[in-house]
Amino acid sequence: DAGVIQSPRHEVTEMGQEVTLRCKPISGHDYLFWYRQTMMRGLELLIYFNNNVPIDDSGMPEDRFSAKMPNASFSTLKIQPSEPRDSAVYFCASRPGQRSGANVLTFGAGSRLTVL
Amino acid sequence: GEDVEQSLFLSVREGDSSVINCTYTDSSSTYLYWYKQEPGAGLQLLTYIFSNMDMKQDQRLTVLLNKKDKHLSLRIADTQTGDSAIYFCAESGLGSNTGKLIFGQGTTLQVKP
Repeated sequence: DAGVIQSPRHEVTEMGQEVTLRCKPISGHDYLFWYRQTMMRGLELLIYFNNNVPIDDSGMPEDRFSAKMPNASFSTLKIQPSEPRDSAVYFCASRPGQRSGANVLTFGAGSRLTVL
Repeated sequence: GEDVEQSLFLSVREGDSSVINCTYTDSSSTYLYWYKQEPGAGLQLLTYIFSNMDMKQDQRLTVLLNKKDKHLSLRIADTQTGDSAIYFCAESGLGSNTGKLIFGQGTTLQVKP
């Protein structure tokens, strides 16, 4: 398996532009997570899905942020309009849907977003 | 609420042992985790411990859990320059069935030759 695939790896955009980050989870994983990493706030959970359904979006900072998971193999995180304070590394992670046992997440390599 | 705290920075000499500490608040966490992040990469699971265990050893890594004090530590024996990275402690948050992990701020480990 190629692991969790994220694109783009790097994105530089101007304030006000729309940004779409993409994620392909590991095949067969039922959970998908979007995290944001900044120096100031560390690693924050934005939203997570179970079987393509959003379960907890309480970490989404503002209405400018939205996430979708149209099918089991694809998710997007959209920021519209983007602001300089959105600059961060955005990670996608997935895990199998076992009912018990350790909650082992596999992370993608991240998408580094810079908003000018 | 759920919270995980770590010191931000640790510097050791190559060959010494490193000890990274973490405190957490959610006493219902069934598992606690250590992840490693190398520069420019995502997080990778290093090890985890079940909450009814006090200690887990895996080659150079030793995890100690004090459930009463809600304190977790990661000891790396014979630390190498390749161990330089950011280490994150995590708990499951409101029990492991929610599927989400709450991470600490990460401890940057610097290994000097």
